Formats: sequence, structure tokens, C-alpha cells
Amino acid sequence: GAGVSQTPSNKVTEKGKYVELRCDPISGHTALYWYRQSLGQGPEFLIYFQGTGAADDSGLPNDRFFAVRPEGSVSTLKIQRTERGDSAVYLCASSLTGGKNTIYFGEGSWLTVV
Amino acid sequence: GEDVEQSLFLSVREGDSSVINCTYTDSSSTYLYWYKQEPGAGLQLLTYIFSNMDMKQDQRLTVLLNKKDKHLSLRIADTQTGDSAIYFCAESVNTDKLIFGTGTRLQVFP
Repeated sequence: GAGVSQTPSNKVTEKGKYVELRCDPISGHTALYWYRQSLGQGPEFLIYFQGTGAADDSGLPNDRFFAVRPEGSVSTLKIQRTERGDSAVYLCASSLTGGKNTIYFGEGSWLTVV
Repeated sequence: GEDVEQSLFLSVREGDSSVINCTYTDSSSTYLYWYKQEPGAGLQLLTYIFSNMDMKQDQRLTVLLNKKDKHLSLRIADTQTGDSAIYFCAESVNTDKLIFGTGTRLQVFP
């Protein structure tokens, strides 16, 4: 596609529920990133994929968070047993090969846990 | 550890220059970036500077880097109302992840 596409754009879920957020990166980009942005804060790194593998998952806050990219293109961020503190905008980004290549961000998925 | 700090708010008159400042802690940063975020839109990369450079100019944007003081600034010349947004400074150390500041909200008034 022309840019990084994320769905859903908005998601309201009840505490304790399971949520999946999808990211469709720019076609041909091998590097894919997930960030989380809480209200009034800058984005915080969660995980980085190079192809199908997670090259750096040091930003995932706990084992309720998991991300996959099975075919090296679309990625899904999965959050189990959601908590109110998980409410944030989840940003996906991609770049051609990673490294110093420009990183392009999607518009984000706004998650609200009630 | 890695930390990036910015002032929260800046207000300027249309046509004036804006200067947004940022300090970072990791001296091994390789690239430093400025991103713009408008309401309802994704982060847009404005410009970046490699850590061995002191200055970079790109049309109305000038980036200054003082590596000794770990200080980065973004100057926007002839600021317009369309420049109103939140500006994020970010650093990368090993280039696979970015560390962002909290953002500076720029308000431009006529």
C-alpha cells in the first residue's frame, strides 16, 4: 500500500479481554516496529521485526503482550487480559531494511480499556 | 540509561522563528531525529542529523547539534499556522529503535 495501515483505528474493550491490533507495512519493507504512546507522552518502543523474526522485543512490558509477523509482512500485536493501564495509541512503523533507513509511521490504533 | 527531554510548550507569532530544544543522555547516539505529529495523523519525519555533524539545514528547518552538551535544537524559520503541532525529538543508539522525548507542543498565533 501507499503507507503503513493500521486496524482498527479505535478499539474499546473491557478489562480482562483479549485484543489484536493489525499492521500492514509499506510493501517491500522488511523492518517493522511497534510503539506505544500514552496520553501526553512520546512513543515508547515495544518490538522490532526484521523479516519474520523479532530482532528486539526488549520494550514489551510483560508477558501479556505478544507480536507476530508470520510471513514477513503483516504484523499483529496481541494483548491478553487487558488492563486499564494498557489504554494508549499503538503505533506501527516500517522501513525498507531497518538501520538508518527512514521509518514511516502509521496513524495508530487507539485502544481504550474500560 | 537513555532519556530524552523537551520543554512541553512553545508559543510563537506567525512569521517569527521557532526554536525547539531537546537534551539527551546517551553519548553513543548515532542519529538524532525530529518528528512532527498533528492531531489524527501519524508521526512525520521532518529531518535527522548524524552524530558527527554540527548542523543541518533543510529549507525552513535548521538542526543544531551540540554533542558535548548533548543538546539538539530545531529552528523553524518564518513559522506558519500550519506548523502548529507536537514536535518530538528522538535518538537512536543502535538504529533499531528510537527513544522519543515527551514532545513540545508548538502553537502559532496570528
